[in-house]
Amino acid sequence: QVQLVESGGGVVQPGGSLRLSCAASGFTFSNYGMHWVRQAPGKGLEWVAFILYDGSNEYYADSVKGRFTISRDNSKNTLYLQMNSLRAEDTAVYYCAKKMRGDWLDYWGQGTLVTVSS
Amino acid sequence: DIQLTQSPSFLSASVGDRVTITCRASQGISSYLAWYQQKPGKAPKLLIYAASTFQSGVPSRFSGSGSGTEFTLTISSLQPEDFATYYCQQVNSYPRTFGGGTKVEIK
Repeated sequence: QVQLVESGGGVVQPGGSLRLSCAASGFTFSNYGMHWVRQAPGKGLEWVAFILYDGSNEYYADSVKGRFTISRDNSKNTLYLQMNSLRAEDTAVYYCAKKMRGDWLDYWGQGTLVTVSS
Repeated sequence: DIQLTQSPSFLSASVGDRVTITCRASQGISSYLAWYQQKPGKAPKLLIYAASTFQSGVPSRFSGSGSGTEFTLTISSLQPEDFATYYCQQVNSYPRTFGGGTKVEIK
């Protein structure tokens, strides 16, 4: 069955960096685009970034553009989110999600918590 | 960017009630809209995509309708396991956006 397992979250100081990973299994990872979505504590969902199945194109929310980079290693079935220049408002649970045809998000990981605090 | 406005943001209802949630887009998005259900501490779950198509395994009491700028999610007879927060999402253009959510609680 499809599994997405995020890791790499933790506490980081403002201005710091963190790299999240999302290990995928149960499907042909290299055939599907992937998304990151985040949720601040007690708040709604916010789309963060998307990468095409082959890594050839990426899209970002304005709130993270220039600071975050989405990437993937299809040989390792792993999605990444490199987060630099972190701010308090980046504090959230970060979910990776698999795209199905039409770009709907049909499978989600359990999320990893990132806390930006001094 | 396309803004999605959900209403109501909070809804109190009883088991067996018919519930309708609305999602309005700031510009036309054809049928490029999905609905997700999220329970506390859990990841969202895809319920409906392309405005009205059921995701596999979703009970038939859930239905979606609409196109253009106005969409609805209807639960025909609310069950205990349906108490959750519901979000709409547009995939018409980037950046993808979600509605603010509708929390459905037990009356």
